[in-house]
Amino acid sequence: QKEVEQDPGPLSVPEGAIVSLNCTYSNSAFQYFMWYRQYSRKGPELLMYTYSSGNKEDGRFTAQVDKSSKYISLFIRDSQPSDSATYLCAMSGGYNTDKLIFGTGTRLQVFP
Amino acid sequence: DAGVTQSPTHLIKTRGQQVTLRCSPKSGHDTVSWYQQALGQGPQFIFQYYEEEERQRGNFPDRFSGHQFPNYSSELNVNALLLGDSALYLCASSRTDGTPYEQYFGPGTRLTVT
Repeated sequence: QKEVEQDPGPLSVPEGAIVSLNCTYSNSAFQYFMWYRQYSRKGPELLMYTYSSGNKEDGRFTAQVDKSSKYISLFIRDSQPSDSATYLCAMSGGYNTDKLIFGTGTRLQVFP
Repeated sequence: DAGVTQSPTHLIKTRGQQVTLRCSPKSGHDTVSWYQQALGQGPQFIFQYYEEEERQRGNFPDRFSGHQFPNYSSELNVNALLLGDSALYLCASSRTDGTPYEQYFGPGTRLTVT
């Protein structure tokens, strides 16, 4: 069993839709939970991070962490064609510059 | 600030050959991590360098080795290349006193092994 599981998709939605992306994990030592966006043939860029449990909102993006269920989510409201990319969840333990454990990534396509 | 830079962008090698990839970290960063991202997969941690020493290592064979220079730049070396080594190799830089989310990725080097 992988430490982090993520549905690879692809996920295809119309412009303006609400998108829900999810990951589950097995390691209860994870403290930091990140979402990265990766465009084709580019490096991942940090979208949002959460420390421990709870919600965090940034514009159209909301990240949720439920440590009791070992489940994290990213919601994208009013999705745009420019949101078309691969979304990677990543997790890490509690100390500085700990290695990141990534999910497989979910490919999202938003069509006009 | 140029951010994290990697070279070359793309290269093609033959099975059995050796390859060296290079990474220059973001200004002010002293730690470099390397990840391998196979097609359709998430990045997998190879190793991390700090103060010119390998500090952490993932589940990769000894064919994968690295180096960090006094200016914090780093190299990833892969010997005896296999077809399965074909992937995007990502470098991430950070400060050793930073937090896990403060790792900034470069654009990657795409390695194709034929």
